[in-house]
Amino acid sequence: GAVVSQHPSRVICKSGTSVKIECRSLDFQATTMFWYRQFPKQSLMLMATSNEGSKATYEQGVEKDKFLINHASLTLSTLTVTSAHPEDSSFYICSATPGAGATDTQYFGPGTRLTVL
Amino acid sequence: RKEVEQDPGPFNVPEGATVAFNCTYSNSASQSFFWYRQDCRKEPKLLMSVYSSGNEDGRFTAQLNRASQYISLLIRDSKLSDSATYLCVVNSGGYNKLIFGAGTRLAVHP
Repeated sequence: GAVVSQHPSRVICKSGTSVKIECRSLDFQATTMFWYRQFPKQSLMLMATSNEGSKATYEQGVEKDKFLINHASLTLSTLTVTSAHPEDSSFYICSATPGAGATDTQYFGPGTRLTVL
Repeated sequence: RKEVEQDPGPFNVPEGATVAFNCTYSNSASQSFFWYRQDCRKEPKLLMSVYSSGNEDGRFTAQLNRASQYISLLIRDSKLSDSATYLCVVNSGGYNKLIFGAGTRLAVHP
C-alpha cells in the first residue's frame, strides 16, 4: 500500500520559535496533500489543502501567515508553524492522494506531536 | 450543528460481544463515506468504505442510509485488539475533503 512519512514524529519547542514539519509520499506522486490538526479528544480538523506548485487553500479560521505550507514537489509538502505558542500544541497529521477526484483515497502520515512550552 | 456527529462512548464490552456504532452527517451532497480506526496517539487508518448497499468485511459490517443521512458500523465477535476509537468520515460534497467525526471509543475487555 501507499506510504506517507512525516518528520519529525515529535517536537518540543519554546514559545516564539518556528517549527517545520515534513510530509512525504514515499512510493507515489501526491497531486494533493492535506494538513490536519487534532487536539486531545477531538476530531481531526482539516487545516489546508495543498496542490503541487500552487498556493494552499486554507480552511476558515486557519491563519495562512501562521501556518505556512509549501508543496514544492509531487512527493513533499511542508508545514511551518511560525512563532509557535502553547495553544498550537497539537497532533499534526498530513495525508496525500495521488489524484484530485472526489473519492480518491487519502493516505495518512503517522503524525507529528508538537508541544510548545 | 457538527457536520459529522458520533456518540463519543466509551463502549465497554466483553470479548465476543457485538457492538454497533452510529453516525449522522449534515451535508446531503456528501458522496463518500468511511469508517477509520484510530489507536491512541496514532494516525487514523482506513477500516472500510461504506456503500449504499451495505458492505461487510469479515467481522465488520457497514451500512449507509442516504435518506436519513445515517451511517453505522457493526462489529461482531469483538476482540481485545478492536479496542480503539472509531471515526466516521464523510467527504465534503464533491471535493476530496474529508470531514471527521470526533470518534466513538471502544474498549473490549477479557
